[in-house]
Formats: sequence, structure tokens, C-alpha cells
Amino acid sequence: NAGVTQTPKFQVLKTGQSMTLQCAQDMNHEYMSWYRQDPGMGLRLIHYSVGAGITDQGEVPNGYNVSRSTTEDFPLRLLSAAPSQTSVYFCASSYLAGRAYEQYFGPGTRLTVT
Amino acid sequence: GQQVMQIPQYQHVQEGEDFTTYCNSSTTLSNIQWYKQRPGGHPVFLIQLVKSGEVKKQKRLTFQFGEAKKNSSLHITATQTTDVGTYFCEGAGGTSYGKLTFGQGTILTVHP
Repeated sequence: NAGVTQTPKFQVLKTGQSMTLQCAQDMNHEYMSWYRQDPGMGLRLIHYSVGAGITDQGEVPNGYNVSRSTTEDFPLRLLSAAPSQTSVYFCASSYLAGRAYEQYFGPGTRLTVT
Repeated sequence: GQQVMQIPQYQHVQEGEDFTTYCNSSTTLSNIQWYKQRPGGHPVFLIQLVKSGEVKKQKRLTFQFGEAKKNSSLHITATQTTDVGTYFCEGAGGTSYGKLTFGQGTILTVHP
């Protein structure tokens, strides 16, 4: 199993550009999520999905879109990049067992917006 | 919304000293997870606590879940340099199914 994979590892964008961060998992996990990590702020939930076709907003959803057309993939779209979106982005997945979550994280994408 | 506060933000210890980080939630949690993130790495799952008053041990690590399921702690006995990293708690609860909240994390530095 590859686990959770994320591409790209690094990305530099100019303000106003759009892009998609890719996330895939091969563990047949129902639950997938996106976080951003900034110094001193911990991990903040952007969007999450409890199954294919179902997505919901997390703590900091503004400026980001997601879709979940398959169990395996959960791409994160930046609509119009802003310097405030400079961060490290992590995708994670887990089985859903009631409300119990053991999340597996991808290696992260380090994004810089200039 | 649900908030999870974690203290301290930083902890510097000498190798061999003990270390504890605490999490407090503004709402009752259904369960709490603990993760470790090494510098430059990604969070790695350590353990999950579900029951009120639960205590779990992993070698030198002891995890506790409060009786009211609103707080939790991670205690490391006799720290080693391999314990360096950021420790996060993450809570699930409330009415938002799937909406998980991380604490801000405690950055542990161990001096040899």
C-alpha cells in the first residue's frame, strides 16, 4: 500500500493563480480531510468528506473548494491564490467506525504564494 | 464551535526528565486522538481514547482521558532525544459528524 499520497511536494504560485493539490489513498478509507499548518496555529481543518459525493466545510474553508467523486481521491482547489494561503497542506484519511478516527497523513505540500 | 486548547506550547527538558502535555475541550468529546509530528514530517497517529477515565500506556508514554471527557493528557517518562517533536491532540465530538479539531500542539525539545 502506498498509503496517502500528495502531489506536488512543493509549489510556488503568484497571487491570483489557481491550482489543485492532489490527494489519493489506497486504503479504501471513507473519511478524508484537508488541513493547513501554520507556525503556532497547529493543524486547521479546511474541508472534509465522510464518503464519495459528500463534503463539508471545516474551520477555514474560505478560498478553497473540494470534491469527492471517488473513494480514493480528494483534490483541494485554490480558486485565486493569496499570500495568506502560504502554508503546509496535509491530506489525511481514516476508516469511519462510529466517531472513532485514526487518521493517516500524507507527506504534505509546501505552498508559497508571492 | 468546538475548541481544543493544548498547553504548554513549548517544553524544553533535559534527557531523562519527564514531560506532560494537556488538552482541554470546550465541549464534551466522543473520543480523542494523539499524534506526534517529527520536525519536517507529517503527523503520525499514536493512540485513541474513547472511554471516560480511560488510561492507556505505550512503553514510556501514558495517555489519560478525563472523567468528563473534556480533557486529556500525554505523559512521557524519562524522555529521550528520539521523543523530540510536536505532540497534538485531536478531538471528535459535538453534533458535527466528521468535524475534528486539533489542539495547537506542544513542541518538545530534549537536550542531551
